[in-house]
Amino acid sequence: AQSVAQPEDQVNVAEGNPLTVKCTYSVSGNPYLFWYVQYPNRGLQFLLKYITGDNLVKGSYGFEAEFNKSQTSFHLKKPSALVSDSALYFCAVRDGGGSTLGRLYFGRGTQLTVWP
Amino acid sequence: DTGVSQNPRHKITKRGQNVTFRCDPISEHNRLYWYRQTLGQGPEFLTYFQNEAQLEKSRLLSDRFSAERPKGSFSTLEIQRTEQGDSAMYLCASSPGHGITGGTDTQYFGPGTRLTVL
Repeated sequence: AQSVAQPEDQVNVAEGNPLTVKCTYSVSGNPYLFWYVQYPNRGLQFLLKYITGDNLVKGSYGFEAEFNKSQTSFHLKKPSALVSDSALYFCAVRDGGGSTLGRLYFGRGTQLTVWP
Repeated sequence: DTGVSQNPRHKITKRGQNVTFRCDPISEHNRLYWYRQTLGQGPEFLTYFQNEAQLEKSRLLSDRFSAERPKGSFSTLEIQRTEQGDSAMYLCASSPGHGITGGTDTQYFGPGTRLTVL
């Protein structure tokens, strides 16, 4: 069965410091991995995805994520956090080899707070 | 704005009433998805369409729920005989869904419809 775990409900970081939001996954086939961000009372905004190729993926707003197959992880990172990065972040996975071609499986989300 | 749109944005209803939500996907996107998000949880998949065909349904989609995409463009999600447990944010997403690479598509989400059942 496919699943995503985001082990931290909250991450707090000072502005200008690097940030990491953790994600681990479980799929039976090849993983397609996604990060989304959600601001209050808004839908999800796409940040980046890993399908194949280079393990380091760069996305919107200076975010990047590293795919690690041996650790089944896809952690989101940013070298220098901004107060405006404060939001709810979701990791999601789709099984590239499965029959459930449509659905994404989401983690519970990690609330990122960046203080000035 | 050419993103995914959803209407209404908020809906308050009494238990037992029927409600219907509408989703307009990004133009020329073949795939359309419905998810439900409750407080403190990530979105949970409900159903998905490839053009007008409903190809996958979650077990979460009880017989009180029905979704349609009659002309392969907009979609509606209807909940009959609403229950308090149906209170949630209902999210719609679309993706291009062309050819064999459709499985790698990014899903683009609308702003959601927040349902409150009293």
